[in-house]
Amino acid sequence: EAGVAQSPRYKIIEKRQSVAFWCNPISGHATLYWYQQILGQGPKLLIQFQNNGVVDDSQLPKDRFSAERLKGVDSTLKIQPAKLEDSAVYLCASSLHTGELFFGEGSRLTVL
Amino acid sequence: GQQLNQSPQSMFIQEGEDVSMNCTSSSIFNTWLWYKQDPGEGPVLLIALYKAGELTSNGRLTAQFGITRKDSFLNISASIPSDVGIYFCAGPSYGQNFVFGPGTRLSVLP
Repeated sequence: EAGVAQSPRYKIIEKRQSVAFWCNPISGHATLYWYQQILGQGPKLLIQFQNNGVVDDSQLPKDRFSAERLKGVDSTLKIQPAKLEDSAVYLCASSLHTGELFFGEGSRLTVL
Repeated sequence: GQQLNQSPQSMFIQEGEDVSMNCTSSSIFNTWLWYKQDPGEGPVLLIALYKAGELTSNGRLTAQFGITRKDSFLNISASIPSDVGIYFCAGPSYGQNFVFGPGTRLSVLP
């Protein structure tokens, strides 16, 4: 069974530029999550989707971050404009139901 | 929001030693998940616990769901070099999504 796919693995941008990350969850997993992991910390939830609907986006900085999962399968997370403090690993995870999250390898963002 | 605490923050052990770490919450959980993260990789699920008092093993790893439902423990027996990494606990935040602890960083000395 294929795991959670994410791209790109690495991205370096300058502040105020924009960036987009893509995630394809495990086939059949209805729930998809985006987490932000700053160096030395545990993952922090940004947004949770159930199929193509948003379940929780309370910690998403909506002035600069946006995410969509239009067809209930893959998802994109966008940051525009990026700030220095957005440097982190962006992890996508999926689950069959609400539980037992399976993570992708992550997309490491460096903002200069 | 809900927060999890993990202890110790980091630990250095000799190869072959047993390891114990724990995770505590200020609120009651009905699920505990334990993950391991290697450098440059995403977290990998080790053990899932669903019932207070439950004791579950996965090879040399054993995790327990605390009887108070506010804590969980992970033990690693006979540690080996590939056990090196960061161990995270996670629990459901208000039943909808999962909040992660800050992690315990494990180093194994040969």
